[in-house]
Amino acid sequence: DAGVIQSPRHEVTEMGQEVTLRCKPISGHNSLFWYRQTMMRGLELLIYFNNNVPIDDSGMPEDRFSAKMPNASFSTLKIQPSEPRDSAVYFCASRGQPYTEAFFGQGTRLTVV
Amino acid sequence: GDSVTQMEGPVTLSEEAFLTINCTYTATGYPSLFWYVQYPGEGLQLLLKATKADDKGSNKGFEATYRKETTSFHLEKGSVQVSDSAVYFCALSDRSGSEKLVFGKGTKLTVNP
Repeated sequence: DAGVIQSPRHEVTEMGQEVTLRCKPISGHNSLFWYRQTMMRGLELLIYFNNNVPIDDSGMPEDRFSAKMPNASFSTLKIQPSEPRDSAVYFCASRGQPYTEAFFGQGTRLTVV
Repeated sequence: GDSVTQMEGPVTLSEEAFLTINCTYTATGYPSLFWYVQYPGEGLQLLLKATKADDKGSNKGFEATYRKETTSFHLEKGSVQVSDSAVYFCALSDRSGSEKLVFGKGTKLTVNP
């Protein structure tokens, strides 16, 4: 298995533009997490899905952020409009069973200028 | 809610020194506990885990014991190497509550030759 695949690896965009981050979880995994990592706040859980259904989105910063999981093999995190304070590394992770370890992708480094 | 507290970093050691990174947790139920490691520019990788009290997780010379009485899961290694330089995260997944995977803020370790 190729592991969790995220794209793009790097994204530079201008303030106000829409940004879409993509994630392909490990095949057969039924939980998916989106995290954001910054120096100031560390690793923050934004949202997680079970069986493609959003379970907890309390970590999503504001309405500019949205996440979808249309099927078991794909998820997106969208920021519209983007702001410089959204600059961070965004990680996707998937898990096969509840309460077990999650497997992380390589992350997307987002820079909003 | 569930939370994880790690010792503040950064930690700087000489090669072959003994390493301890403290981790304590708060959980409403009976969590599984994890240590993850993040090398520069990469995603998080599972280092070791423990799922019940008194379990010892171990991998690559690292160890951690699940101590329910002190709600702790301290990471130890008897002799660190330069290649162990990374950021280490303690995490939990609470079985009786939400299925979230909750992380500590991370501890940066630098090992000098």
